[in-house]
Amino acid sequence: DTEVTQTPKHLVMGMTNKKSLKCEQHMGHRAMYWYKQKAKKPPELMFVYSYEKLSINESVPSRFSPECPNSSLLNLHLHALQPEDSALYLCASSQTGNTQYFGPGTRLTVL
Amino acid sequence: QQQVKQSPQSLIVQKGGISIINCAYENTAFDYFPWYQQFPGKGPALLIAIRPDVSEKKEGRFTISFNKSAKQFSLHIMDSQPGDSATYFCAASIRSGGATNKLIFGTGTLLAVQP
Repeated sequence: DTEVTQTPKHLVMGMTNKKSLKCEQHMGHRAMYWYKQKAKKPPELMFVYSYEKLSINESVPSRFSPECPNSSLLNLHLHALQPEDSALYLCASSQTGNTQYFGPGTRLTVL
Repeated sequence: QQQVKQSPQSLIVQKGGISIINCAYENTAFDYFPWYQQFPGKGPALLIAIRPDVSEKKEGRFTISFNKSAKQFSLHIMDSQPGDSATYFCAASIRSGGATNKLIFGTGTLLAVQP
């Protein structure tokens, strides 16, 4: 089973709201990733967690705050977002680091 | 040097034809080359992948050809079907500290297979 699940599927939020995206995998993978994808563009890496510790932050603004509560869960906390942050947010996981399995994404709209 | 160049940007193929998407890279530290297929509103799905010590890999109708000396690799979709219509991303993986790898994606190819 190579399933990565993400909730919610869709999220609409105002610029003053606080919300969270959730990602879960039960494949025993030790690395988890957050990507942002704009329309007609490739995914852009935001954060990488390896063994539940943040290993890569691609200079993402502080209004995005990742959290890895345990080896199966990954959260992305959102606060004071801008309309240009509207995008598809993808979570991925991998065991070796090479083969990454993506979830279905959360479609975020910031009003 | 960490870029992956992908072409064409879009491709129209007749049903039953061969779809060919090309990618090129510069950084010889890349050590794994996956292809992802993405349908609208969905996450990318791993299609097929290859390591640089292999020149070709075939899985069903999908084949990766890899030319290490030219730093190029390509995806061939044989007997293309309308259900193959999607965006295809090539990618290259590079070690990025500890046990973590980063994927560098190409810009994507929008494939339309006409019935």
